[in-house]
Parts: sequence; C-alpha cells; structure tokens
Amino acid sequence: GENVEQHPSTLSVQEGDSAVIKCTYSDSASNYFPWYKQELGKRPQLIIDIRSNVGEKKDQRIAVTLNKTAKHFSLHITETQPEDSAVYFCAASNTGGYQKVTFGTGTKLQVIP
Amino acid sequence: IAGITQAPTSQILAAGRRMTLRCTQDMRHNAMYWYRQDLGLGLRLIHYSNTAGTTGKGEVPDGYSVSRANTDDFPLTLASAVPSQTSVYFCASSDATNNQPQHFGDGTRLSIL
Repeated sequence: GENVEQHPSTLSVQEGDSAVIKCTYSDSASNYFPWYKQELGKRPQLIIDIRSNVGEKKDQRIAVTLNKTAKHFSLHITETQPEDSAVYFCAASNTGGYQKVTFGTGTKLQVIP
Repeated sequence: IAGITQAPTSQILAAGRRMTLRCTQDMRHNAMYWYRQDLGLGLRLIHYSNTAGTTGKGEVPDGYSVSRANTDDFPLTLASAVPSQTSVYFCASSDATNNQPQHFGDGTRLSIL
C-alpha cells in the first residue's frame, strides 16, 4: 500500500521567514496531493492541493510543488505569520477502487513573533 | 451551512461498553470515512464507504464497525470499548468519484477508562 513520509515533525521559524515541509510517497498510482492545516483542537482543513498533471500551484503565500519522478511534494509558506502556527498534514490519494487517501504524520509549525 | 456534523463532541466511557459515534453530512458526497487521530501517528483510516449500502475496511478496522444505510449518515460503533481506543475520531466525506478533497467534521474526543 501507499506510504507517505513527512518531514520535519516540528519546525520553528521567525515571523516573516519562509517554512518548507516535505513529503515523499511510494505508490506511483497516487495522483492527487492535498495539504491540510489543523489548529489545536480543530478539524483538519484543506489549504491547497495539487494534481499529478501539474508541477506547481500557488495561492497567495502558500505554494505546493510536485516531482512525480522522485515521488515527492512540498509545501512552501512565505512571509509566515503567527496565525500560520498549526499542524500541517500532507496526503497522497488515488481512485483505485475507492478514494484511498494516505496521510503523513504531520508537521507542527511554530511561528515566533 | 453545509458540512459534516459529528456527535457527541466528547465522551468518557467505561471499558466493555458499547458506543456509537454519529456522523451526518449534507453535501451529498458519495464517500464517507472514519479516521482516528493519535499523537504522533497522524490520521489513520478505520473504515470507509464509497456509496450507500457499501463499506470497506481501512488501516485499523479491528474493534470497529460501520453502516451506511443512506447517503447522509455513517455511524461508527465500538462493540466493546477498550482503553486503546481512546483517541480523537474524525468523520470525513468527499466526492470520491471526481477525486475531490475530503471535508472533515469537528471530531469526537473519546476516552475509554
């Protein structure tokens, strides 16, 4: 089955700096890669996603890159703000039979004011 | 407001008791999922359902059962709760046919004593 590895597990950055979270996946059939943000005590919420036919996608301060050959994808947050502090999960998904989504173990991001 | 509703929000339960966690969505999504979230282990899939009347096992199905009598509801039952089932449980739904992102409920915090 699919295996998604996520690094680092914790990340501290100064406000205004950039943050990068990296994920690798094992199943070449995976074709959809969402990123979720989870604030303490809240539900995971989708912040950005990318499909396998695209190499990069950007939404304001957030961008995601995908390298299908190397089977890795990354989340980039620029000009970080204290409200970016949360746990971020990457995921890999395909539709073989059902929408099988495998999540990474999460990155706890702390933005220091 | 469209979304997913979970109940209860939290529960303390004696070991050996039976418990059903409720999940209802009003987005007419064909697929629904149950995850458990434990510290350091991310989100792990318990059971899923591609459409009303069908269910499948996820990564950690033992000790849990589900049913999908209609599109909107997807209850999760612990037949005889054990302390290792102490966790936060999230229900999610998606338009899996088109490989769309999963939307999560607010979660149920369950403690088994």
